[in-house]
Amino acid sequence: ETGVTQTPRHLVMGMTNKKSLKCEQHLGHNAMYWYKQSAKKPLELMFVYSLEERVENNSVPSRFSPECPNSSHLFLHLHTLQPEDSALYLCASSQVVSGGANVLTFGAGSRLTVL
Amino acid sequence: AQRVTQPEKLLSVFKGAPVELKCNYSYSGSPELFWYVQYSRQRLQLLLRHISRESIKGFTADLNKGETSFHLKKPFAQEEDSAMYYCALLPNYGQNFVFGPGTRLSVLP
Repeated sequence: ETGVTQTPRHLVMGMTNKKSLKCEQHLGHNAMYWYKQSAKKPLELMFVYSLEERVENNSVPSRFSPECPNSSHLFLHLHTLQPEDSALYLCASSQVVSGGANVLTFGAGSRLTVL
Repeated sequence: AQRVTQPEKLLSVFKGAPVELKCNYSYSGSPELFWYVQYSRQRLQLLLRHISRESIKGFTADLNKGETSFHLKKPFAQEEDSAMYYCALLPNYGQNFVFGPGTRLSVLP
């Protein structure tokens, strides 16, 4: 497997469920991102991890909890979500060099539906 | 705060016609600008970046710092160019890419 892999590709959950989205990158990158893509809004940055440290938390509600155990893996833990959280969640990775990021490589996304 | 605007949500052109997708940004420093494309049922992928000064699939984009624009152009559109196009900004020495709302390009036969 090459590139950025996201699982599951589709997820349906109730508002009281707990689930997790997983992202794995095979590019040797040192930064990973979660973006939210919904129909009526631009691509929204949620979290950035650089060298396994969270460097950005873009005012995301606490019902979304990221985890980056190593530079190749990124999780998004979901708990008591709302229907308006239904969206496509995109993972991306990049190589940070001298403090600045390089090109983003995206995964295919996890389509989340909250009932 | 950094911001990227793409004034057209949808742009329709006929095959063979020139196409220009507009992108304007607000940032006080020297950003890096990108165009990403998402074809139907495919993942979001890089089309081109301004520092490369490349022409990819016949598309070019020039950074105009005076007008804070980074418009994407192609002289002769093809049907396979139909996709969603996103302009993105990376602040100098930054890690947080800021995306525009996207423009859906539809190339008609």
